[in-house]
Amino acid sequence: RKEVEQDPGPFNVPEGATVAFNCTYSNSASQSFFWYRQDCRKEPKLLMSVYSSGNEDGRFTAQLNRASQYISLLIRDSKLSDSATYLCVVNDDYKLSFGAGTTVTVRA
Amino acid sequence: ETGVTQSPTHLIKTRGQQVTLRCSSQSGHNTVSWYQQALGQGPQFIFQYYREEENGRGNFPPRFSGLQFPNYSSELNVNALELDDSALYLCASSTRGGEDYGYTFGSGTRLTVV
Repeated sequence: RKEVEQDPGPFNVPEGATVAFNCTYSNSASQSFFWYRQDCRKEPKLLMSVYSSGNEDGRFTAQLNRASQYISLLIRDSKLSDSATYLCVVNDDYKLSFGAGTTVTVRA
Repeated sequence: ETGVTQSPTHLIKTRGQQVTLRCSSQSGHNTVSWYQQALGQGPQFIFQYYREEENGRGNFPPRFSGLQFPNYSSELNVNALELDDSALYLCASSTRGGEDYGYTFGSGTRLTVV
């Protein structure tokens, strides 16, 4: 079983739409959680950390459910610039475990 | 504050050759991790270095080795290159104990083995 599993998409949405996707992780002892964004052929960049209480950063909302080992990301009012691959990431002590990524394309 | 820099940006090697990739960590960071990202996949953890010692290792064979220097920069060495080693190699730096704040990645080295 993969350490982090994500819905690969792709999600193809119009500008202004809301898009949501999630991932699951296998290690119940995992300590911290993130969403990273990766543009084509570029390095991953931290989008936001994820907390059990849920957290927002502008149009982005992340949620963690430790009991279900489930992490979600919601993007409101999608912009063309949101087109990217979103990586679900779990920090287990000394390493990051990445999902394979969810591809989002926002169309005009 | 300087970010994470990696060199070279692109590299083509022949199967069986050896390669060295380099990484300078972000100012103030003392831990360096290396990841391999194959096309269409998420990055896979290779190993981490802290205080010039390997601090953890993923599921990679011994022909993947590394070093960390006193200035926290790091090298990744791969011997006996195989075609499947073709990938984007990412270096990430962090502060030991500060992993809750995420890691900063370099722009990567794209290695092609032919």
